[in-house]
Amino acid sequence: QQPVQSPQAVILREGEDAVINCSSSKALYSVHWYRQKHGEAPVFLMILLKGGEQKGHEKISASFNEKKQQSSLYLTASQLSYSGTYFCGTLPNTGNQFYFGTGTSLTVIP
Amino acid sequence: KAGVTQTPRYLIKTRGQQVTLSCSPISGHRSVSWYQQTPGQGLQFLFEYFSETQRNKGNFPGRFSGRQFSNSRSEMNVSTLELGDSALYLCASSHSTTGELFFGEGSRLTVL
Repeated sequence: QQPVQSPQAVILREGEDAVINCSSSKALYSVHWYRQKHGEAPVFLMILLKGGEQKGHEKISASFNEKKQQSSLYLTASQLSYSGTYFCGTLPNTGNQFYFGTGTSLTVIP
Repeated sequence: KAGVTQTPRYLIKTRGQQVTLSCSPISGHRSVSWYQQTPGQGLQFLFEYFSETQRNKGNFPGRFSGRQFSNSRSEMNVSTLELGDSALYLCASSHSTTGELFFGEGSRLTVL
């Protein structure tokens, strides 16, 4: 039931783009995205709701394919501050339990 | 606006002991959820409380329990500690059950 994220790790140079994918085996009501820097708490980035509504970060965008139960996070023109571990959190159609993905470590280098 | 506060931040216990962790949510948030984070397993859901009622529970043994008070503050308890319970325990609060989560800094538990 834990969503699977890919890739597990990625290294980028400043200014490059990245895509992180999240795939669930359950029909989803919503997908959340969080970023956690080393030694810090996860921080909310984005929420995507069934039906297409989304809200979140202005420089980070995401998509949610309800039929495929997949979401992708798009990081464009990456900055050093984007480094961290990205988690997707999924809320199935039934039940109120969040399932967090396996995490994607993203490192941006100068 | 104060964030989510967790205490203690660090603690060391020995096998067989018990531990209680505390979480004060953001003012006005009625949903509090707990997660265990380990390098191998990632973020694992423990339980979620809303208005003093446990609404969801993850796949953890009965040694893990929690409660929520009328002021929305929450505690979790782990009894008969095992080495495998060593982890970062994160608390998150939310305005609603489905809304964005605001995480605390966590309580890092080490079991020797």
